[in-house]
Amino acid sequence: EPEVTQTPSHQVTQMGQEVILRCVPISNHLYFYWYRQILGQKVEFLVSFYNNEISEKSEIFDDQFSVERPDGSNFTLKIRSTKLEDSAMYFCASGRTSGYNEQFFGPGTRLTVL
Amino acid sequence: RKEVEQDPGPFNVPEGATVAFNCTYSNSASQSFFWYRQDCRKEPKLLMSVYSSGNEDGRFTAQLNRASQYISLLIRDSKLSDSATYLCVVLREYGNKLVFGAGTILRVKS
Repeated sequence: EPEVTQTPSHQVTQMGQEVILRCVPISNHLYFYWYRQILGQKVEFLVSFYNNEISEKSEIFDDQFSVERPDGSNFTLKIRSTKLEDSAMYFCASGRTSGYNEQFFGPGTRLTVL
Repeated sequence: RKEVEQDPGPFNVPEGATVAFNCTYSNSASQSFFWYRQDCRKEPKLLMSVYSSGNEDGRFTAQLNRASQYISLLIRDSKLSDSATYLCVVLREYGNKLVFGAGTILRVKS
């Protein structure tokens, strides 16, 4: 069964450093997403991406964040200058179509900012 | 008011028990509804979509009441492996943003 994959599984970085989190969505999916979950809190939407552009973003997704689909398979989330409060689990998800179809999540990258 | 509200639990039940979880949502324009399951420090995994007519998948039954903006999940004959956090998730009418509830913890004990 096809699945979303993410690398690395755990990233430790110093405050102020840039990090890039990588995802390979399910191959025939067209809609891509990033969510995050701070330890002990609920899953929160960050951004959705379709047709090589952002279709929606949350208030969390400020200028420090960017997303890119550099080739036909990868989908990346970049945090330019990490803060302590960026420490969280970051989940990539993909969906075949928009709207009513389900989104399938990758195993996540645990980001720890020191 | 939170957009998706769930009783956090935990629900502690013996194996074989029937347990029900409830969820309410505040945005009446919401169009799609899901139950996801999340094990500790793992990704949310889709358990089932929820339809207005109600739907069943083995031991799991989901119901949606649009008038009351209420979603439920019933688990029959609980197994130890059902222990997890159950997330009520709503998709808004516009866009593709999933809105998650905080989750209900289920612990099934032998």
